[in-house]
Amino acid sequence: DIQLTQSPSFLSASVGDSVTITCRASQGTSSYLAWYQQKPGKAPKLLIYAASTLQSGVPSRFSGSGSGTEFTLTISSLQPEDFATYYCQQLNSYPITFGQGTRLEIK
Amino acid sequence: QVQLVQSGAEVKKPGASVKVSCKASGYTFTSNAMHWVRQAPGQRLEWMGWINAGYGNTKYLQKFQGRVTITRDTSASTAFMELSSLRSEDTAVYYCARETYYYDTSGNRIDAFDIWGQGTMVTVSS
Repeated sequence: DIQLTQSPSFLSASVGDSVTITCRASQGTSSYLAWYQQKPGKAPKLLIYAASTLQSGVPSRFSGSGSGTEFTLTISSLQPEDFATYYCQQLNSYPITFGQGTRLEIK
Repeated sequence: QVQLVQSGAEVKKPGASVKVSCKASGYTFTSNAMHWVRQAPGQRLEWMGWINAGYGNTKYLQKFQGRVTITRDTSASTAFMELSSLRSEDTAVYYCARETYYYDTSGNRIDAFDIWGQGTMVTVSS
């Protein structure tokens, strides 16, 4: 199974800041990686797929990059609604796996 | 609009079974696979399995093999996830998620979970 490790697990930032979350895979996943945002009590929301393609309707301040075993999600100019938990997911091979999550909180 | 609506919360005793439904609307149900993902309190998302809504073939996470059954009713545009021999560790929110796919410039198929149900809380307690 491909293990995904996100760093950091917890992040504190202010509105207007730019933040980067890293997702490292235990094996290469090519570009078959997605990022999701989850708010308390809600289902995850797809932000980025294929490592760097923005899902329709997602603000352009979200961006993704990487391939192989290291990926990043960057949020530029944080907005109040961006404070949530973020998960990476690999769809390169079964079983599909998720990172442990990065909780982004307001400083 | 495209949406997935799940059945309501369940409370079950250890050893019992639970069956959660996921009704799709706004798209052709048989055109997309449906996945099931669960999230125990404070834990990461855990993929459980999927069903090809058109053909009905399934694939499950090894740890659930023999305990989970994913089915669908195409006439009702509904997918189901049944988990048996419940234990306290199965207490979680269970989500269905539609798999969508795209083709990149090289012709490679790229998958993602673009639509999620609202989640169903399953509590296992004696």
